[in-house]
Amino acid sequence: AQTVTQSQPEMSVQEAETVTLSCTYDTSESNYYLFWYKQPPSRQMILVIRQEAYKQQNATENRFSVNFQKAAKSFSLKISDSQLGDTAMYFCAFTTGANSKLTFGKGITLSVRP
Amino acid sequence: GAVVSQHPSRVICKSGTSVKIECRSLDFQATTMFWYRQFPKQSLMLMATSNEGSKATYEQGVEKDKFLINHASLTLSTLTVTSAHPEDSSFYICSAPPSGGPRIYYNEQFFGPGTRLTVL
Repeated sequence: AQTVTQSQPEMSVQEAETVTLSCTYDTSESNYYLFWYKQPPSRQMILVIRQEAYKQQNATENRFSVNFQKAAKSFSLKISDSQLGDTAMYFCAFTTGANSKLTFGKGITLSVRP
Repeated sequence: GAVVSQHPSRVICKSGTSVKIECRSLDFQATTMFWYRQFPKQSLMLMATSNEGSKATYEQGVEKDKFLINHASLTLSTLTVTSAHPEDSSFYICSAPPSGGPRIYYNEQFFGPGTRLTVL
């Protein structure tokens, strides 16, 4: 069975600074997909970034980038130039394929201070 | 593209009544949809996997007779909470991975906006 661990329940960052959210996972699968989702106060789940395990290059999406360490089973999210709108709960998630379930971590509440 | 809707967004009902929640993929087809439950400040807990044309697969500990799931078409799945009680009050979210379409959607799930259920 797959597990996803987010050990930090809360983090706070000053606006314009950089913050890194940690995530580790455990699986025996060789091919899988990792995601970071954002859930703002509206509670709509929003995809932030995805990473295919077979790709060595770390994914980036504008201010968001990941540090994917496959051997260590680590998948951290870096948010650069933090903005007030980044305040949300962030979930790390894992799946083995398109119609397979997503396994979520417990989530981390990120607060961006003005 | 890739929008998922849920209806209703909020529902308040009396204890003992049944409530139906709809999840629709608006611009893509989905042979599989997922139903989650979420309590405040907690993660999403998968309840069941909805399969078009066949029975749903329920996670361990989820009462299938209480949470009825029907996947009537490639764009619609429904969750019916039968004989609802206050402990069923929660936020229910559905998600759907596209069955086809642009490769950029592969392996991604799209989420509905959620339904807040309050049972009095």
